[in-house]
Amino acid sequence: DADVTQTPRNRITKTGKRIMLECSQTKGHDRMYWYRQDPGLGLRLIYYSFDVKDINKGEISDGYSVSRQAQAKFSLSLESAIPNQTALYFCATSDPGRLEKLFFGSGTQLSVL
Amino acid sequence: LAKTTQPISMDSYEGQEVNITCSHNNIATNDYITWYQQFPSQGPRFIIQGYKTKVTNEVASLFIPADRKSSTLSLPRVSLSDTAVYYCLVGEDRMDSNYQLIWGAGTKLIIKP
Repeated sequence: DADVTQTPRNRITKTGKRIMLECSQTKGHDRMYWYRQDPGLGLRLIYYSFDVKDINKGEISDGYSVSRQAQAKFSLSLESAIPNQTALYFCATSDPGRLEKLFFGSGTQLSVL
Repeated sequence: LAKTTQPISMDSYEGQEVNITCSHNNIATNDYITWYQQFPSQGPRFIIQGYKTKVTNEVASLFIPADRKSSTLSLPRVSLSDTAVYYCLVGEDRMDSNYQLIWGAGTKLIIKP
């Protein structure tokens, strides 16, 4: 079983719809992240959480919201999806320490029509 | 923020050693250098991390000169399965919420038979 699981793997929706992407992890890490990746580009940070009570905006948080339901679960919502939110979304976790490493899920391909 | 510069793409052949150089002129004293590998439609995977001099693991070596303004990822005897995008990141592991880690577009490495 994957350590970081994202659901769904693929989603097609229409403009204006509310969408939730879910992430769960079995690594026992406190830190969780949501990134988006556009074709040919690197990853951009949307939101991150260092523990259940700590939620922070990343560089591109507008149009997104998150919920940290438990240490193992971190959900990303698009309240009213728009076409330029079409992208590949990744959830990641890490364990705090001097040599931080990110562990990524397999991604959710979201298409907004 | 320490910005990184990498070649957009590189080609090589099976069995060769491949070196990918990353420039990070503004690296800060507490920053570490981390490399990730990403296959299409998958999340990035941690390869190697270092602070100075040379680090080697079962997958790659990382060479960092004394001034730390650049680093070189070395992949020994590559195979077709090493075809991927390689990202160089520079940042520190902060224990507070001021988390910043910038992903560039990476280097697309294509290995030919």
